[in-house]
Amino acid sequence: DGGITQSPKYLFRKEGQNVTLSCEQNLNHDAMYWYRQDPGQGLRLIYYSQIVNDFQKGDIAEGYSVSREKKESFPLTVTSAQKNPTAFYLCASSIPGGGNEQFFGPGTRLTVL
Amino acid sequence: EDQVTQSPEALRLQEGESSSLNCSYTVSGLRGLFWYRQDPGKGPEFLFTLYSAGEEKEKERLKATLTKKESFLHITAPKPEDSATYLCAGYNYGQNFVFGPGTRLSVLP
Repeated sequence: DGGITQSPKYLFRKEGQNVTLSCEQNLNHDAMYWYRQDPGQGLRLIYYSQIVNDFQKGDIAEGYSVSREKKESFPLTVTSAQKNPTAFYLCASSIPGGGNEQFFGPGTRLTVL
Repeated sequence: EDQVTQSPEALRLQEGESSSLNCSYTVSGLRGLFWYRQDPGKGPEFLFTLYSAGEEKEKERLKATLTKKESFLHITAPKPEDSATYLCAGYNYGQNFVFGPGTRLSVLP
């Protein structure tokens, strides 16, 4: 079955630690996205990538970093510089351009202790 | 600044009680208006894309419509399994999606 997987589902981190969230897709999509979701707010874009080895900052990129070495993978690192990292993180992919729908992964809930 | 708002924030319906959810948008160069369904603790699931004012799309008990300023998601005779948060998002010329905060729908048996 084609789809997007995210791991882990739940993640706990101590303050001052970096942590990497995994996102893998086998839909053969060129575009991939990372969003953050907080209660009562819409999804906010962290980073996106339209093609391998290229990515762009979204609206709230500070304190996060990404890489796109393979078409299938788009890992997100939450660094210690992110002031409020506790949130639900969603990865998505799509065919780039033209407003094609995004397919979302199941999400990772990160809690900073 | 591009913005999407949704109302109401939460809606409670009895099974079979039809209603509508509203999505108002100010998105420069709107290239598409998307509706998603999100169950608690899960990723959003795509429902519809609308591209131009006057367009309508239907899927089971759901119908989405689009005007120049807003979109509606009409729910006809809802069932408890329709309970979820419904998100709308505008896609702009910057090739980014702008999401609204969602409407949390509860359908009581």
